[in-house]
Amino acid sequence: GDSVTQTEGLVTVTEGLPVMLNCTYQTAYSDVAFFWYVQYLNEAPKLLLRSSTDNKRTEHQGFHATLHKSSSSFHLQKSSVQLSDSALYYCALGGNNRIFFGDGTQLVVKP
Amino acid sequence: EAAVTQSPRNKVAVTGGKVTLSCNQTNNHNNMYWYRQDTGHGLRLIHYSYGAGSTEKGDIPDGYKASRPSQENFSLILELATPSQTSVYFCASGDQGQGYTEVFFGKGTRLTVV
Repeated sequence: GDSVTQTEGLVTVTEGLPVMLNCTYQTAYSDVAFFWYVQYLNEAPKLLLRSSTDNKRTEHQGFHATLHKSSSSFHLQKSSVQLSDSALYYCALGGNNRIFFGDGTQLVVKP
Repeated sequence: EAAVTQSPRNKVAVTGGKVTLSCNQTNNHNNMYWYRQDTGHGLRLIHYSYGAGSTEKGDIPDGYKASRPSQENFSLILELATPSQTSVYFCASGDQGQGYTEVFFGKGTRLTVV
């Protein structure tokens, strides 16, 4: 079946340093897109970025991700994190009227 | 931007009581979804709908019913609430556009069953 795996439940990074949140997936659908959603404390998840093109870098709010179908991955990266980036991040894939979420990665940015 | 409104935003219910969570979207999306969010489990799909009159079981449907009386409204019903259903519930709407599905979330309902 379709699934999304986020291996890290919690990632702690010092402000100003880079971060990468891992996301791998399994899907049988051909028409799919991949998403990163961000959820700040006591708020709803909201779309951070989206991609459906293999090997194309997508950027938003300083974050970027590249879909690699060869390795079934869509990792999220940022070169220099800020305190305000502390949040819960979900990787997801959408296709055939369904959207599948990973379990989420809590990013904590320390001063 | 997509508008999804949930009510109530907070609810305290008694064990064994009936609870109805409501969701309204003004985006004319065909699909609507109910998720619950618990620490360590992420967003888990309870029920979803492809349009008015349709409901489908998600990954964790036991103990929940859903109703989609119109394009705009999608309710989640707990006929006999239990403490294990204490959680934050999110409604979302979306469409299969451009070959993929993207969803937009409401602000959530925090349900406590005592």
